[in-house]
Amino acid sequence: SQTIHQWPATLVQPVGSPLSLECTVEGTSNPNLYWYRQAAGRGLQLLFYSVGIGQISSEVPQNLSASRPQDRQFILSSKKLLLSDSGFYLCAWKSPRLAGGSTDTQYFGPGTRLTVL
Amino acid sequence: QKEVEQDPGPLSVPEGAIVSLNCTYSNSAFQYFMWYRQYSRKGPELLMYTYSSGNKEDGRFTAQVDKSSKYISLFIRDSQPSDSATYLCAPPESPWATPRRAGGTSYGKLTFGQGTILTVHP
Repeated sequence: SQTIHQWPATLVQPVGSPLSLECTVEGTSNPNLYWYRQAAGRGLQLLFYSVGIGQISSEVPQNLSASRPQDRQFILSSKKLLLSDSGFYLCAWKSPRLAGGSTDTQYFGPGTRLTVL
Repeated sequence: QKEVEQDPGPLSVPEGAIVSLNCTYSNSAFQYFMWYRQYSRKGPELLMYTYSSGNKEDGRFTAQVDKSSKYISLFIRDSQPSDSATYLCAPPESPWATPRRAGGTSYGKLTFGQGTILTVHP
């Protein structure tokens, strides 16, 4: 079975400090991978997605970057955090197969709660 | 106009009530729709999905799509305190949307609504 891990679970960082959040997936190959941010009381905002190693697409201009150094590893980074980067960060994976029905299901990790002070 | 809109609530109902959660969407290319449930401080999980117009039932949950008015509903019968969560509607990108992955697969992007916070009290 497939599992998705995120760490750390909780993070408190000062403004201007760097950030590195990690997501790994087990039990599947060549998944599509996604990073979302969820601000308090808000919906999920897609930040980045990746369809393969080294292939990153950015959905919104921002202070963050993403990398996929291995097939099942997805990293979210920042060189200098802003207060507005606070939120709940979620990683998700999806089967790369043809779209439609259950193949479009995204499976989410447990999330990282980031507070920037 | 946002592609998917939901009333954020919060919605508070007594146990046993029938709950109606709604989404409107603007993109006619959306071909089917997913409902995700998110418990507090957890990642969302798929609740159910439904194609085209009509109803789909799964236990106490019924998903309804009205493509003519671009309106999606999720009904919960005999609501329970364990149903207390945020409910998000999410139509996937059309499999015929461009650009597409080589080999005919899709990027599988979802467009999430804001989510409706539901509390079912005993």
